Amino acid sequence: EAGVTQFPSHSVIEKGQTVTLRCDPISGHDNLYWYRRVMGKEIKFLLHFVKESKQDESGMPNNRFLAERTGGTYSTLKVQPAELEDSGVYFCASSQGQQGSGYTFGSGTRLTVV
Amino acid sequence: AQKVTQAQTEISVVEKEDVTLDCVYETRDTTYYLFWYKQPPSGELVFLIRRNSFDEQNEISGRYSWNFQKSTSSFNFTITASQVVDSAVYFCALSGAMIKAAGNKLTFGGGTRVLVKP
Repeated sequence: EAGVTQFPSHSVIEKGQTVTLRCDPISGHDNLYWYRRVMGKEIKFLLHFVKESKQDESGMPNNRFLAERTGGTYSTLKVQPAELEDSGVYFCASSQGQQGSGYTFGSGTRLTVV
Repeated sequence: AQKVTQAQTEISVVEKEDVTLDCVYETRDTTYYLFWYKQPPSGELVFLIRRNSFDEQNEISGRYSWNFQKSTSSFNFTITASQVVDSAVYFCALSGAMIKAAGNKLTFGGGTRVLVKP
């Protein structure tokens, strides 16, 4: 079974540019989560999709962040325009059930805004 | 609100020493899951263990062991006879366990960096 795939693995962009991160969950997993770890701090929840619907986006920091999940398959997280404080590692996870179990994380995308 | 505290930001040990990572949590959920993840230098998050709040039995897996104390809201992790390959950041995390429409997101602690020196 393929795991959760994220790309790119690294991205370096200039402040003000746009970056789009992609996550391919495990096939059949309805739940898809985005998390990020900024500046060596704790990993924080961004949002949760159930299929193509946003179930909880309480962790999205501001309107520069836009997440989509087309057809309930892969998801993208766009940052536009990127700011220096957006630098960090963005993790995606998927799970089959709605309970807090069975999370599988991707390898993360390291975003550096310069 | 849920909260996970890992008071130790960094621990340095010499190979073969034991190392214990502390994790204290807060939650209003009556049922919940506790997790430990490892983040090696390569960056991915590696699942280590999930513990249901109903199960207070301690668990051992090879050189890893976990001590769940519901009375003190702690879920500590011990690496016995540490090895250089254990060097990583370790995260404790918490989620609710009830099935609910909003799902159950993970709340992470700040992580503890473990450095095992040869």
